[in-house]
Amino acid sequence: SYELTQPPSVSVSPGQTAVITCSGDAMSKQYTHWYQQKPGQAPVLVMFEDSERPPGISERFSGSSSGTAVTLTITGVQAEDEADYYCQSVDFSGSSLVFGGGTKLTV
Amino acid sequence: EVQLVESGGGLAKPGESLRLSCAASGVIFNTAWMNWVRQAPGKGLEWVGRIKSQKAGGAIDYAAPVKGRFIISRDDSTGTLFLQMNNLKTEDTAVYFCTTRINWGQGTLVTVSA
Repeated sequence: SYELTQPPSVSVSPGQTAVITCSGDAMSKQYTHWYQQKPGQAPVLVMFEDSERPPGISERFSGSSSGTAVTLTITGVQAEDEADYYCQSVDFSGSSLVFGGGTKLTV
Repeated sequence: EVQLVESGGGLAKPGESLRLSCAASGVIFNTAWMNWVRQAPGKGLEWVGRIKSQKAGGAIDYAAPVKGRFIISRDDSTGTLFLQMNNLKTEDTAVYFCTTRINWGQGTLVTVSA
């Protein structure tokens, strides 16, 4: 089955830049989306179609893609950014959605 | 404001069935592609399945672990999404979310235990 690979954890100090990567073989042909999830809460979409930011999401969040990997970058990290981040895409056929294993961002 | 509200979760024994519902408001439901996503305790997000809008053909796709046991359906007249879960297994224990991918409900907990 198709898999997306993320680092289990990323740790940064306040004010620094956090970079979370997600890789998958189909990424060069399919868009990737990113979700932020805080404990006990539902996920929140923070980036869609690789690099598009939804309304209401801080400009500190940005996304990029290159080949079979996409990246979520959070500049000027704040304590409130501490959360689990999941990438999500689809397989080559487009019929199955898949999530990465999640990255715990520690600030 | 878009609201998705799941209901129907609870405790079931292995082999039993449960039916989850997701009531949508503030969204043009009949054009929305709806997904079920679950999260086992302390684990990551796992896609369960998706139903496309009728306009898009209404196709339904399932993740391998639930295919043949779970059935997704929708009632566009009431703006409700359903997940019929049959032959439940202990590994189905999770919080189940309905989502348009942009909007998410708060989830409903399903516990499968003898």
